[in-house]
Amino acid sequence: GQQVMQIPQYQHVQEGEDFTTYCNSSTTLSNIQWYKQRPGGHPVFLIQLVKSGEVKKQKRLTFQFGEAKKNSSLHITATQTTDVGTYFCAGGSSNTGKLIFGQGTTLQVKP
Amino acid sequence: DAGVTQSPTHLIKTRGQHVTLRCSPISGHKSVSWYQQVLGQGPQFIFQYYEKEERGRGNFPDRFSARQFPNYSSELNVNALLLGDSALYLCASSFEGPGYGYTFGSGTRLTVV
Repeated sequence: GQQVMQIPQYQHVQEGEDFTTYCNSSTTLSNIQWYKQRPGGHPVFLIQLVKSGEVKKQKRLTFQFGEAKKNSSLHITATQTTDVGTYFCAGGSSNTGKLIFGQGTTLQVKP
Repeated sequence: DAGVTQSPTHLIKTRGQHVTLRCSPISGHKSVSWYQQVLGQGPQFIFQYYEKEERGRGNFPDRFSARQFPNYSSELNVNALLLGDSALYLCASSFEGPGYGYTFGSGTRLTVV
């Protein structure tokens, strides 16, 4: 079945360093969504990418959707302690509301 | 506006019992989805309902069922509970069906003993 893989599983950075997580799907996606989950919390929607090659920015966060619509990345510039959490990518279907989540990348930021 | 509300927040059940989890979507949202999240993993899709009809079903056994009511609230039912059903059950709502970001509730933490 369809799988979404995410790497790395964990990332520890010093505050101010950059961070990137990568997401790869076994099949072409209709869209890709990114969520952030703080420890003990629930996933919070960050963004959705729909178009091939699309790039979107939210302040220090840059999201990319691959040309083949099978991979995506999230890059955070100059991390802050408030960026701590687990970042999930989720591949979406055009026919159903089904989202296939990756395993997540847990980011720790040392002050 | 209130966010997605789920009840109860925590629940402890015994193997073989039945459980009903409830979800109220954001006002105006007609789509409700259910996800199971085991500790350390990403959420796994269980069901999606849109306008009271099932739009999608994940790879879960028939012990799992759900429904959506005329006011768009939803229930997830799990019969014959197993220890492996212990997880955080998340409900998510969105403005329309496919293609929109989801707002998740805080979840119901189910422990099966």
